[in-house]
Amino acid sequence: GESVGLHLPTLSVQEGDNSIINCAYSNSASDYFIWYKQESGKGPQFIIDIRSNMDKRQGQRVTVLLNKTVKHLSLQIAATQPGDSAVYFCAVQSGNFNKFYFGSGTKLNVKP
Amino acid sequence: ETGVTQTPRHLVMGMTNKKSLKCEQHLGHNAMYWYKQSAKKPLELMFVYSLEERVENNSVPSRFSPECPNSSHLFLHLHTLQPEDSALYLCASSRVGSSTEAFFGQGTRLTVV
Repeated sequence: GESVGLHLPTLSVQEGDNSIINCAYSNSASDYFIWYKQESGKGPQFIIDIRSNMDKRQGQRVTVLLNKTVKHLSLQIAATQPGDSAVYFCAVQSGNFNKFYFGSGTKLNVKP
Repeated sequence: ETGVTQTPRHLVMGMTNKKSLKCEQHLGHNAMYWYKQSAKKPLELMFVYSLEERVENNSVPSRFSPECPNSSHLFLHLHTLQPEDSALYLCASSRVGSSTEAFFGQGTRLTVV
Protein backbone atom coordinates (compact mmCIF):
# COMPACT_ATOMS: atom_id res chain seq x y z
CA GLY A 1 0.00 0.00 0.00
CA GLU A 2 0.89 3.62 0.32
CA SER A 3 0.66 6.25 3.01
CA VAL A 4 0.90 9.91 2.20
CA GLY A 5 1.44 12.67 4.73
CA LEU A 6 1.61 16.42 4.64
CA HIS A 7 3.87 18.29 6.99
CA LEU A 8 1.63 21.21 7.93
CA PRO A 9 -2.16 21.28 8.18
CA THR A 10 -2.22 25.06 7.78
CA LEU A 11 0.11 27.57 6.13
CA SER A 12 -0.35 31.34 6.27
CA VAL A 13 1.57 33.59 3.89
CA GLN A 14 1.53 37.24 2.94
CA GLU A 15 0.23 38.13 -0.50
CA GLY A 16 3.16 38.32 -2.90
CA ASP A 17 5.36 35.93 -0.94
CA ASN A 18 6.29 32.46 -2.12
CA SER A 19 4.57 29.42 -0.61
CA ILE A 20 6.00 25.97 -0.12
CA ILE A 21 3.79 23.01 0.69
CA ASN A 22 5.37 19.66 1.49
CA CYS A 23 4.33 16.05 1.20
CA ALA A 24 5.94 12.73 2.13
CA TYR A 25 5.11 9.30 0.78
CA SER A 26 6.06 5.83 1.88
CA ASN A 27 6.28 3.59 -1.18
CA SER A 28 9.56 3.87 -3.06
CA ALA A 29 7.88 2.25 -6.07
CA SER A 30 5.52 5.22 -6.46
CA ASP A 31 5.93 6.56 -9.94
CA TYR A 32 3.47 9.38 -10.50
CA PHE A 33 2.67 12.38 -8.32
CA ILE A 34 0.02 15.05 -8.54
CA TRP A 35 -0.84 18.23 -6.70
CA TYR A 36 -4.49 19.16 -6.39
CA LYS A 37 -6.15 22.36 -5.19
CA GLN A 38 -9.53 22.24 -3.49
CA GLU A 39 -11.54 25.39 -2.98
CA SER A 40 -14.46 25.52 -0.62
CA GLY A 41 -17.51 23.74 -1.99
CA LYS A 42 -15.63 22.26 -4.94
CA GLY A 43 -13.91 19.03 -5.82
CA PRO A 44 -10.11 18.81 -6.09
CA GLN A 45 -8.67 20.38 -9.23
CA PHE A 46 -5.45 19.35 -10.93
CA ILE A 47 -2.55 21.81 -10.60
CA ILE A 48 0.59 20.03 -11.75
CA ASP A 49 2.05 16.55 -11.96
CA ILE A 50 5.46 14.92 -12.11
CA ARG A 51 6.69 11.46 -13.01
CA SER A 52 9.36 9.58 -11.15
CA ASN A 53 11.90 10.02 -13.94
CA MET A 54 11.99 13.77 -13.21
CA ASP A 55 12.95 15.80 -10.15
CA LYS A 56 11.48 19.17 -11.09
CA ARG A 57 8.64 20.46 -13.20
CA GLN A 58 7.42 24.00 -13.65
CA GLY A 59 4.07 25.42 -14.57
CA GLN A 60 2.64 28.88 -14.44
CA ARG A 61 3.71 30.24 -11.01
CA VAL A 62 3.96 26.68 -9.66
CA THR A 63 6.90 24.30 -9.37
CA VAL A 64 6.87 20.74 -8.14
CA LEU A 65 10.03 19.18 -6.75
CA LEU A 66 10.47 15.46 -6.25
CA ASN A 67 13.16 13.93 -4.05
CA LYS A 68 12.93 10.19 -4.47
CA THR A 69 15.81 9.54 -2.09
CA VAL A 70 13.85 10.79 0.89
CA LYS A 71 10.42 10.23 -0.67
CA HIS A 72 9.46 13.87 -0.49
CA LEU A 73 7.41 16.07 -2.75
CA SER A 74 6.89 19.81 -2.58
CA LEU A 75 4.76 22.42 -4.31
CA GLN A 76 6.10 25.93 -4.64
CA ILE A 77 3.76 28.79 -5.51
CA ALA A 78 5.44 32.00 -6.59
CA ALA A 79 3.97 35.41 -5.75
CA THR A 80 1.04 33.93 -3.85
CA GLN A 81 -2.29 35.60 -4.52
CA PRO A 82 -5.57 35.67 -2.56
CA GLY A 83 -7.05 33.35 -5.19
CA ASP A 84 -4.52 30.73 -4.17
CA SER A 85 -6.26 30.32 -0.81
CA ALA A 86 -7.46 26.72 -0.74
CA VAL A 87 -6.59 23.27 0.55
CA TYR A 88 -3.75 21.60 -1.33
CA PHE A 89 -3.42 17.83 -1.60
CA CYS A 90 -0.67 15.67 -2.96
CA ALA A 91 -1.70 12.42 -4.60
CA VAL A 92 0.56 9.46 -5.27
CA GLN A 93 0.10 6.66 -7.75
CA SER A 94 2.01 3.43 -7.28
CA GLY A 95 2.39 0.92 -10.06
CA ASN A 96 -1.27 0.07 -10.29
CA PHE A 97 -2.53 2.85 -12.51
CA ASN A 98 -5.96 2.72 -11.01
CA LYS A 99 -5.18 3.90 -7.48
CA PHE A 100 -4.42 7.36 -6.19
CA TYR A 101 -3.53 7.88 -2.52
CA PHE A 102 -3.98 11.31 -0.99
CA GLY A 103 -2.42 13.21 1.87
CA SER A 104 -4.59 14.99 4.42
CA GLY A 105 -4.17 18.40 2.85
CA THR A 106 -2.59 21.74 3.74
CA LYS A 107 -4.86 24.75 4.03
CA LEU A 108 -3.16 27.78 2.52
CA ASN A 109 -4.29 31.15 3.87
CA VAL A 110 -3.13 34.20 1.94
CA LYS A 111 -3.14 37.43 3.93
CA PRO A 112 -3.65 40.65 1.95
CA GLU B 1 -16.38 22.29 -15.15
CA THR B 2 -14.13 19.25 -14.97
CA GLY B 3 -16.22 16.97 -17.16
CA VAL B 4 -17.30 14.93 -14.13
CA THR B 5 -20.81 15.67 -12.85
CA GLN B 6 -22.22 14.48 -9.56
CA THR B 7 -25.82 14.60 -8.40
CA PRO B 8 -27.25 15.54 -6.05
CA ARG B 9 -24.90 18.20 -4.66
CA HIS B 10 -26.46 17.91 -1.21
CA LEU B 11 -28.37 15.06 0.41
CA VAL B 12 -29.90 14.66 3.85
CA MET B 13 -31.15 11.20 4.70
CA GLY B 14 -32.38 9.30 7.69
CA MET B 15 -30.69 6.15 8.90
CA THR B 16 -33.47 3.96 7.51
CA ASN B 17 -33.57 5.57 4.07
CA LYS B 18 -32.24 4.25 0.78
CA LYS B 19 -30.69 6.73 -1.63
CA SER B 20 -28.26 6.75 -4.52
CA LEU B 21 -25.49 9.08 -5.58
CA LYS B 22 -24.85 9.49 -9.28
CA CYS B 23 -21.70 10.34 -11.19
CA GLU B 24 -21.31 10.90 -14.92
CA GLN B 25 -18.17 11.66 -16.90
CA HIS B 26 -17.87 12.99 -20.44
CA LEU B 27 -14.11 12.65 -20.80
CA GLY B 28 -13.88 9.27 -22.46
CA HIS B 29 -12.20 7.83 -19.39
CA ASN B 30 -12.40 4.15 -18.51
CA ALA B 31 -11.70 4.17 -14.77
CA MET B 32 -14.00 5.65 -12.14
CA TYR B 33 -13.60 6.09 -8.40
CA TRP B 34 -15.54 6.86 -5.25
CA TYR B 35 -13.73 8.75 -2.49
CA LYS B 36 -14.97 9.78 0.92
CA GLN B 37 -13.77 13.11 2.32
CA SER B 38 -14.27 13.71 6.03
CA ALA B 39 -13.11 16.79 7.91
CA LYS B 40 -9.37 16.86 8.67
CA LYS B 41 -8.78 13.41 7.15
CA PRO B 42 -7.17 12.34 3.88
CA LEU B 43 -9.41 11.43 1.00
CA GLU B 44 -10.32 7.79 1.52
CA LEU B 45 -10.45 5.62 -1.57
CA MET B 46 -13.63 3.54 -1.42
CA PHE B 47 -14.08 1.84 -4.77
CA VAL B 48 -12.32 1.70 -8.12
CA TYR B 49 -13.87 0.54 -11.37
CA SER B 50 -11.55 -0.14 -14.27
CA LEU B 51 -13.05 -0.99 -17.65
CA GLU B 52 -16.39 -1.40 -15.84
CA GLU B 53 -15.06 -4.03 -13.44
CA ARG B 54 -14.67 -3.37 -9.76
CA VAL B 55 -10.96 -3.68 -9.03
CA GLU B 56 -10.83 -2.19 -5.57
CA ASN B 57 -13.02 -2.31 -2.49
CA ASN B 58 -11.19 -0.76 0.42
CA SER B 59 -12.97 -2.55 3.26
CA VAL B 60 -16.02 -0.42 2.79
CA PRO B 61 -19.11 -1.45 4.82
CA SER B 62 -21.79 -3.24 2.85
CA ARG B 63 -24.23 -0.38 3.48
CA PHE B 64 -22.36 1.28 0.58
CA SER B 65 -22.96 -0.50 -2.73
CA PRO B 66 -21.38 0.76 -5.95
CA GLU B 67 -22.64 0.16 -9.45
CA CYS B 68 -20.96 0.91 -12.77
CA PRO B 69 -23.36 0.14 -15.64
CA ASN B 70 -21.01 1.58 -18.28
CA SER B 71 -17.75 3.49 -18.48
CA SER B 72 -19.49 6.86 -18.24
CA HIS B 73 -21.70 6.29 -15.21
CA LEU B 74 -21.08 5.37 -11.61
CA PHE B 75 -23.54 5.06 -8.76
CA LEU B 76 -23.20 4.68 -5.02
CA HIS B 77 -26.27 3.10 -3.44
CA LEU B 78 -26.75 3.91 0.23
CA HIS B 79 -28.88 2.12 2.79
CA THR B 80 -29.11 2.08 6.59
CA LEU B 81 -26.29 4.57 6.96
CA GLN B 82 -24.91 5.84 10.24
CA PRO B 83 -24.33 9.47 11.30
CA GLU B 84 -20.56 8.91 11.00
CA ASP B 85 -21.08 8.31 7.29
CA SER B 86 -21.83 12.01 6.89
CA ALA B 87 -19.12 13.37 4.60
CA LEU B 88 -18.38 14.72 1.13
CA TYR B 89 -18.46 11.90 -1.41
CA LEU B 90 -16.30 12.55 -4.44
CA CYS B 91 -16.38 10.79 -7.76
CA ALA B 92 -13.37 10.83 -10.06
CA SER B 93 -12.38 9.37 -13.41
CA SER B 94 -9.14 8.71 -15.24
CA ARG B 95 -7.70 6.80 -18.15
CA VAL B 96 -6.46 3.29 -17.41
CA GLY B 97 -2.97 2.29 -18.43
CA SER B 98 -1.24 5.64 -18.37
CA SER B 99 -0.01 8.02 -15.75
CA THR B 100 -2.59 10.72 -16.02
CA GLU B 101 -4.43 12.65 -13.41
CA ALA B 102 -7.85 11.83 -12.05
CA PHE B 103 -10.56 14.41 -12.67
CA PHE B 104 -12.98 15.03 -9.82
CA GLY B 105 -16.60 16.00 -9.63
CA GLN B 106 -17.88 18.65 -7.24
CA GLY B 107 -18.96 16.05 -4.72
CA THR B 108 -22.17 15.22 -2.89
CA ARG B 109 -22.40 16.57 0.65
CA LEU B 110 -24.17 13.81 2.58
CA THR B 111 -25.71 14.30 6.00
CA VAL B 112 -27.13 11.31 7.83
CA VAL B 113 -29.61 12.19 10.57
